[in-house]
Formats: sequence, C-alpha cells, structure tokens
Amino acid sequence: QVQLVQSGAEVKKPGSSLKISCKASGVSFNSYAINWVRQAPGQGLEWMGGIIPIFGTIKYSEKLHGRVTFTADGSSSTAHMELTSLRSEDTAVYYCAGLGLYETTGFDYFQHWGLGTHVTVSS
Amino acid sequence: EIVLTQSPDTLSLSPGETATLFCRASQSVNSNYLAWYQQKPGQAPRLLIYHSSTRATGIPDNFSGSGSGTDFTLTISRLQPEDFAVYFCQQYDRPPQTFGQGTRVEAK
Repeated sequence: QVQLVQSGAEVKKPGSSLKISCKASGVSFNSYAINWVRQAPGQGLEWMGGIIPIFGTIKYSEKLHGRVTFTADGSSSTAHMELTSLRSEDTAVYYCAGLGLYETTGFDYFQHWGLGTHVTVSS
Repeated sequence: EIVLTQSPDTLSLSPGETATLFCRASQSVNSNYLAWYQQKPGQAPRLLIYHSSTRATGIPDNFSGSGSGTDFTLTISRLQPEDFAVYFCQQYDRPPQTFGQGTRVEAK
C-alpha cells in the first residue's frame, strides 16, 4: 500500500528555515503528485501547494509564496518542503499528501497522507 | 478564494444514529469538485469522498456525499463508535484549495 514517511519533529527559532522530507513508497513517483497541507494547533487545514515531480509542475499558495519551496528527487521518491523566515504563526503540523495523476490535476483532493511533522517556532 | 462554512460545529449523537453534516461554499463549486475527510485526534486526515459523492477506496457505504453548486452534505448512517471524529470539507474547483473549519461528531 502507499506510504508517505515524513521526517521528524522540529523546533526552530523565529527567522530561521525549515526543511521537511516526505518519502513515498508503494506508488510510482512518476505518476504521483505531492501536496503540502499544514494544521496549526486546534485549527483547520491549510493547503500550502504541491509538486508533480515527473513534470516539474509546482503550485504555491499565494499566502506563502516567496517563503516556501517544494522540490522532489525521483531517484529516491522523496519530496521536500522548505519554509524560510519562520514566525510563531508557522507553528503547526505539516503533512505531505499525495494524489495519483490518473484523471486528476495532481492538486485536487488528497488521497494519501503522511503522519505529519510537528514544527514549533519559538524563541 | 472560496470560503467553506461547515455546520453544525458539533453534532452529538448516539451509535446507530445518522449524522448529517453540511458544507456551504461562498461561490459555486463547479463540477462538484468537493471532498470530505475524517480526522481523529493525533492522526492525519483520511479521504472519505471526492467529486462530491464518490467514495474513496475502502470507505464503507454508510458514508455518502451529495450536493452541488454551493451546498454539499455528508451523511453518515448507522454511526459506529469509530466514526466519532472531526470532518472537513475541501473544494478543489479554484485555487487555492480551501477547507471548511470542521464539524465534530461526538458521542452523546
């Protein structure tokens, strides 16, 4: 079955940067998109954007555009999300969420989810 | 962006009862590009429904979705103990993809 394994929890200082990885297994990375969704404590879900590795197509939410970068390495079936200039409001659980490309744009709904990476931004 | 408003915020029901959850969009969601997710404490969301009414793989048939335009419904019939959770709707018609604030289904 499809598994998305994320890197571990992080504690960061304001102004620093964060990089989270998401390794996919059980699925062909060539026919898959990885999206990133975050959830602040006790809050709802926020789509950050996503990447389709085989095409190099990347979409960023306007809210985070300029601070976030998505990359992917097909050789290891791993996607990365980097967020810079961290603020306390970036404290959240960050999920990678995947979707197959068959009859989708890759950025539609989110079929498979990682377990999440807890990120705390605090001085 | 399309704002999704879910109601009610909390639903208190007993096992065996039917839960009806609503999701209203601030603009029409074309092609019924709306999904529903279930989230339990400490877990990632799980996809239940996409395209407004298509059940995801492995989702039991007591979960059903309906609606179009701006009004969508998730119905959970014959509530099981494992169905008590928070449910989110999400639209993917127009970027950015947005989620509702969630409805908590709790045991009475």
